[in-house]
Amino acid sequence: GAGVSQTPSNKVTEKGKYVELRCDPISGHTALYWYRQSLGQGPEFLIYFQGTGAADDSGLPNDRFFAVRPEGSVSTLKIQRTERGDSAVYLCASSLSGGTIGNTEAFFGQGTRLTVV
Amino acid sequence: GDSVTQMEGPVTLSEEAFLTINCTYTATGYPSLFWYVQYPGEGLQLLLKATKADDKGSNKGFEATYRKETTSFHLEKGSVQVSDSAVYFCARLSGGFKTIFGAGTRLFVKA
Repeated sequence: GAGVSQTPSNKVTEKGKYVELRCDPISGHTALYWYRQSLGQGPEFLIYFQGTGAADDSGLPNDRFFAVRPEGSVSTLKIQRTERGDSAVYLCASSLSGGTIGNTEAFFGQGTRLTVV
Repeated sequence: GDSVTQMEGPVTLSEEAFLTINCTYTATGYPSLFWYVQYPGEGLQLLLKATKADDKGSNKGFEATYRKETTSFHLEKGSVQVSDSAVYFCARLSGGFKTIFGAGTRLFVKA
């Protein structure tokens, strides 16, 4: 596609439910990143994929959060037993090559706004 | 840990005014530094970057100079336009690939 696509754009879920957020990166981009942005804050790093593998998942806040990228393109961020504190905008970015998000420009999607009620 | 601190907004300016948004970073290593912009209804975009001390990044009339001695990377523009209204994020590279963002500064430009 022309850019990074994230679906859904908005998701409202009840506390305790399971959600999946999808990211479709730019074709050919090997590096993929997930960030979380709370209201009034900058994006916070969650996880980085190089190809199919998670090269760094140190930003995932706890074991309720998990992400996969089984074929090295589309990625899914999964959140179990959602809590109200998980409400945020979840951003996905991709870049042509990995390792240095800044030295190889990263392109961001418009994000998924998750609201846990 | 690594962090970035930028001036709080919102910043409200009249068209053609001079803009400065201050940004400082923690001085661990010599990280690449960035400014990202988020226009209303759009995704984050890289505005400019600098990869070493004294480098000046520039784009669309915006500039920022990597100052190692003051650990700063202030964003400037000589004459803002209404279309510059957006949220601006200062950021630094950490650990070789993670980008650490500041909290963002919202800019409103009045006609």
